[in-house]
Amino acid sequence: DAGVIQSPRHEVTEMGQEVTLRCKPISGHDYLFWYRQTMMRGLELLIYFNNNVPIDDSGMPEDRFSAKMPNASFSTLKIQPSEPRDSAVYFCASSNRDRVLPQYFGPGTRLLVL
Amino acid sequence: SQQGEEDPQALSIQEGENATMNCSYKTSINNLQWYRQNSGRGLVHLILIRSNEREKHSGRLRVTLDTSKKSSSLLITASRAADTASYFCATAIAGGTSYGKLTFGQGTILTVHP
Repeated sequence: DAGVIQSPRHEVTEMGQEVTLRCKPISGHDYLFWYRQTMMRGLELLIYFNNNVPIDDSGMPEDRFSAKMPNASFSTLKIQPSEPRDSAVYFCASSNRDRVLPQYFGPGTRLLVL
Repeated sequence: SQQGEEDPQALSIQEGENATMNCSYKTSINNLQWYRQNSGRGLVHLILIRSNEREKHSGRLRVTLDTSKKSSSLLITASRAADTASYFCATAIAGGTSYGKLTFGQGTILTVHP
């Protein structure tokens, strides 16, 4: 298995632009998580899905952030409009229904908003 | 506030020495997991300990869990330069609607000098 795949790996954009981050979870995993990591705030859970349905989006910073999971093999995290404070590394992770199994992380997308 | 908090924030040792990192948490958990993050990479799962377990081993890793004190420790024996990384504890909260969700601490930065 290729593991969790994220794209792009790096994104540089200007304030006000729309940013779309993509994630392909490990095949057979039914949980998908989006995290944001910064030096100041550490690793924060933004939203997670179970069987393509959003379960907890309480970590989504504000309405500028939205996430979708149209099918079991694809998810997007969109920021519109982007702001400099959104600069961070965004990770996607997946796991399966057994709560004792770990989460498998993708390599992350490093986002810089100028 | 963070569910899991690691101590120390940074640890610097010589190759061959043991490294001990601690994690404290606030609420009842189902299990506690430790992850490693190398610079610029995603998190990698190391070991999981369930709430009814007190100690667990995996290679050079030893994890203990004290649910009465709401704390855990990760011991890396005979450290190597390749162990240099950030180490995070993550807790899966018992019950409620948080099934599958992990809450991560701020991490301990471990540096092993050759």
